[in-house]
Amino acid sequence: DVVMTQTPVSLSVSLGGQVSISCRSSQSLVHNNGNTYLSWYLQKPGQSPQLLIYKVSNRFSGISDRFSGSGSGTDFTLKISRVEPDDLGVYYCGQGTQYLMYTFGAGTKLELK
Amino acid sequence: EVQLVESGGGLVQPGRSLKLSCLASGFTFSNYGMNWIRQAPGKGLEWVASISSSSSYIYYADTVKGRFTISRDNAKNTLYLQMTSLRSEDTALYYCARLNWRYFDYWGQGVMVTVSS
Repeated sequence: DVVMTQTPVSLSVSLGGQVSISCRSSQSLVHNNGNTYLSWYLQKPGQSPQLLIYKVSNRFSGISDRFSGSGSGTDFTLKISRVEPDDLGVYYCGQGTQYLMYTFGAGTKLELK
Repeated sequence: EVQLVESGGGLVQPGRSLKLSCLASGFTFSNYGMNWIRQAPGKGLEWVASISSSSSYIYYADTVKGRFTISRDNAKNTLYLQMTSLRSEDTALYYCARLNWRYFDYWGQGVMVTVSS
């Protein structure tokens, strides 16, 4: 299985600040078709996960441009700018390159400083 | 609006069975692969099972293979997860999620399964 490692485990931020979350995979997430199936999800307190970013850098419908994804191969980053209260929660990266063996990172908890 | 509503959870003794359902609405259910993903209390996300749009392809995580069965009824817009030989480590919040290519674009609110004597 592809192991997804997220850092840091938790992060404190001031409102209006900027943060980055790192996600590293144990093997390249570049599929044979050239696509890289790395996605980011946010689980707000008491809610189910919601999709933020897919295929590394594509924002899902309705997601603010304050969220941006980047990276390639095995190293990926989610950046959140001008942090708002509604951004707090646990962020997960996930891979879909290894078909039907979907795996997620352990999560990064974003809290207010 | 896409909606996924799970039901069927509860408290069950080890070794017993339970069947979860997920009622979908707001999209053409028969066009999408569907999945079950679970989250143990205070833990991260674990993919459990996947079924293609026409049920032609079905796959399971090794942790549930041979004990869980995923199925769907496209006429009823419903996804199922039959769980047998339940263990304490199956205790989790179970989400159904729609698969869009290789990512999960919509998730239900989850249904809790507690395996305990």
